[in-house]
Amino acid sequence: EPEVTQTPSHQVTQMGQEVILRCVPISNHLYFYWYRQILGQKVEFLVSFYNNEISEKSEIFDDQFSVERPDGSNFTLKIRSTKLEDSAMYFCASSPGQMMNTGELFFGEGSRLTVL
Amino acid sequence: DQQVKQNSPSLSVQEGRISILNCDYTNSMFDYFLWYKKYPAEGPTFLISISSIKDKNEDGRFTVFLNKSAKHLSLHIVPSQPGDSAVYFCAASANNAGNMLTFGGGTRLMVKP
Repeated sequence: EPEVTQTPSHQVTQMGQEVILRCVPISNHLYFYWYRQILGQKVEFLVSFYNNEISEKSEIFDDQFSVERPDGSNFTLKIRSTKLEDSAMYFCASSPGQMMNTGELFFGEGSRLTVL
Repeated sequence: DQQVKQNSPSLSVQEGRISILNCDYTNSMFDYFLWYKKYPAEGPTFLISISSIKDKNEDGRFTVFLNKSAKHLSLHIVPSQPGDSAVYFCAASANNAGNMLTFGGGTRLMVKP
């Protein structure tokens, strides 16, 4: 069964460092997303990406965040200068089309980011 | 941000009985609702969804009920199985917000053998 894969599974970084989280969405999917879950809190939407551009983003997704689909298969989330409060589980997701038509998002297993 | 709330952080049910997980929302623009299941160290997995034009959707042991006037939805699992033990998230989407999901805080379901 096709699945969304994420790397790394866990990354520890120093505050102020840049981090890149990588995702390989399901191959025929057109929409891509990043969500995050801070420990003990809700899963929160960060950004959605379609047709090589950001389609929506939340207030969390400020200037320190960026997304890219550099090679047609990978989908990356870059955090330019990490802060302690960026420590969270980051989930990548993809969907074949608009959710109302296709039913659901397919999530990866997550990348745990720990900022020290 | 409490647009989607799951007021029960945990629920314990005996195997074979019905599990009922509840979810309330406040945003009247939400028109599509989903339930996800999450095991530890895994991403959320889609279970079932319902559009606001319906009040019930059934898929095997899982049924979702939507009460728009009360802004309430529930997930029924019957019969419950030990493998159903997981955290269940309710999520909602508004048509004018594309595919952005707003999640509830989750309910941990424990099904006892």
